[in-house]
Order: sequence, then C-alpha cells, then structure tokens
Amino acid sequence: GQNIDQPTEMTATEGAIVQINCTYQTSGFNGLFWYQQHAGEAPTFLSYNVLDGLEEKGRFSSFLSRSKGYSYLLLKELQMKDSASYLCAVKANTGFQKLVFGTGTRLLVSP
Amino acid sequence: ETGVTQTPRHLVMGMTNKKSLKCEQHLGHNAMYWYKQSAKKPLELMFVYSLEERVENNSVPSRFSPECPNSSHLFLHLHTLQPEDSALYLCAPHQARAGAYNEQFFGPGTRLTVL
Repeated sequence: GQNIDQPTEMTATEGAIVQINCTYQTSGFNGLFWYQQHAGEAPTFLSYNVLDGLEEKGRFSSFLSRSKGYSYLLLKELQMKDSASYLCAVKANTGFQKLVFGTGTRLLVSP
Repeated sequence: ETGVTQTPRHLVMGMTNKKSLKCEQHLGHNAMYWYKQSAKKPLELMFVYSLEERVENNSVPSRFSPECPNSSHLFLHLHTLQPEDSALYLCAPHQARAGAYNEQFFGPGTRLTVL
C-alpha cells in the first residue's frame, strides 16, 4: 500500500521558522512534491525533490532523504499569508504522473 | 492565473439530479486528471486522460463518468450521487517533459454539495 504521513496541524509566529515533516512508505519513488493550499482554493506547487538533499527557493526549502523515506518543508521568515495547508505528495509510479497525497498539515501563523 | 478554468465553481445538487463539471485548459498540456478532495482526507486521483484516452480509472463508482473530447476540455458527468460525494473536485492538466520535473497544475476546483 501507499502511506504518506504529515502532522495534522502546526502553529508558529510571524517571523519565525517552521519545519513541516513528511514520511512516506510507497511501492516506488519517482519524486516528492510540496503544495500549498489556502482555504477554499486549489493547491499551488511549491517544490519538487527527486534526489537527496536540500532544494532552496526563496523563503521555502525542501529536503529529501530517500533512504529514510523522509522529507521536510522549511519555511523561513514566516508571514501571515503563509497560513495555509501544506500537502506532501509522492509520485510512486513510472509513466504518467500519479501522485499519492498526504492529508496535509494546516499551518497557522499568528502575530 | 494558472491557465485552467473550471465551471461551475460551486454546485448544489440533489441525489436524483444529473449535472456535469467542466474543465478547460490553455496550457497546451496533453494529459488531464480529475482529483477529489473530501474534508479531512487526502487528495484522491479519480481519472487520468492522456492524449484524450483514459489511462486510469482509480476504482471510481460508475455514477461518475468522465469525458475528454479533446486535449483542452475535460468533463465529469454526475448522476445519482450520494451525500458522501460532496467534495472539491479538481482538474489538473499535465505535460510530461523528459529531463525536467513534472509540475502538476490544478484548476480552481468545483465545490460540490449533494443534498
């Protein structure tokens, strides 16, 4: 089976740093995605990792360890607008893109 | 603006109604996906069309019927739905590119409520 685990909810304060973890057990691995989803809106792409290591993109970074089945999304200099759900998804198959999603981590940023 | 539109954005229907959801993409992608997002559940892949041919039906009940007449349009026909089918339905075009990651765009979604 396929399993993606993320914390359900996290809270942080404006200006701080937060790390959202994701662990996965899937039948295969061909990349891991992070998406941001504001309430009532569609998910938007944040990052992609297929090799081990850290990918940095502005205030957001994503890390992957394939041997541990583990990833995290790091958000720096938090802003109020970062309050959203963060979805971890794994492409477990080859061929067409079939993503397995976690339930998402709801992040609440307070002043 | 993601280049993907979905209509209607909100839909309320009774269990005996028949309705259709529409997705239109302006990205030139050759594959289109339907996802379902229920409250407190992960996004679930429903159907995949590649080059207008259905390549994946993820054990979806027959009361959901997809149609892809061309690479720009995707429909989801609904009939005799159940209240548990209430969810956000997301269309997602995709273009696989060799040597690059395959970012998945999502449309804005249709919020469906079945009474």
